Amino acid sequence: DVQVLESGGGLVQPGGSLRLSCAASGFPLRNSAMNWVRQAPGKGLEWVSTISGSDGTTHYADSVKGRFTISRDNSRNTMNLQMNSLRVEDAALYYCVKGHDSSFYAFDVWGQGTMVTVSS
Amino acid sequence: QSVLTQPPSASGTPGQRVTISCSGSNSNIGSNYVYWYQQLPGTAPKLLIYRNYQRPSGVPDRFSGSKSGTSATLGITGLQTGDEADYYCGTWDSSLRAGVFGGGTKLTVL
Repeated sequence: DVQVLESGGGLVQPGGSLRLSCAASGFPLRNSAMNWVRQAPGKGLEWVSTISGSDGTTHYADSVKGRFTISRDNSRNTMNLQMNSLRVEDAALYYCVKGHDSSFYAFDVWGQGTMVTVSS
Repeated sequence: QSVLTQPPSASGTPGQRVTISCSGSNSNIGSNYVYWYQQLPGTAPKLLIYRNYQRPSGVPDRFSGSKSGTSATLGITGLQTGDEADYYCGTWDSSLRAGVFGGGTKLTVL
């Protein structure tokens, strides 16, 4: 069964750092685009970042560019999101999403999310 | 302010047909595939339509998608109470070089 499972969320002060992880099972992560999509409480979906399956090309939303870094460890079948200089507006439920085969910007298999709270 | 524009709400009665629109521009819907996602209350989103109109296995044919120019539409026929959810359209914006979503449409089945 194809699944992704996020971890690493928590409470952090503004300006702090957090590292989210996503464990993939049932498929080789290296063969798929992998994404982070976030959703603030009561708000809509916001794309955060994508790492392609083929060559590891990365893309970032302007709101996180220069502060967040997406990476993957093919040997562990995991993906990470290093989040630095966190802001109050980064607080959200962060979903790890396996890309759909049809396109790198399509979101196929979603995890249950990990909550990030940014507050002093 | 979302790059893609959706109506905030839609409604219908059981058995009816409802449509949800998604409006964009040449740099997003006009030049890339549109995807639709369904988010039932308290759950993670689920892929509903890919490449404008195609359905993943397991998605009933009551759900359909279409695209024309810089707009896309999700159609739901034979409305059921279990269809009550938030629906999002999404695509890639080639100018922004970013994934973009609509603001979401809350569907109520009366």
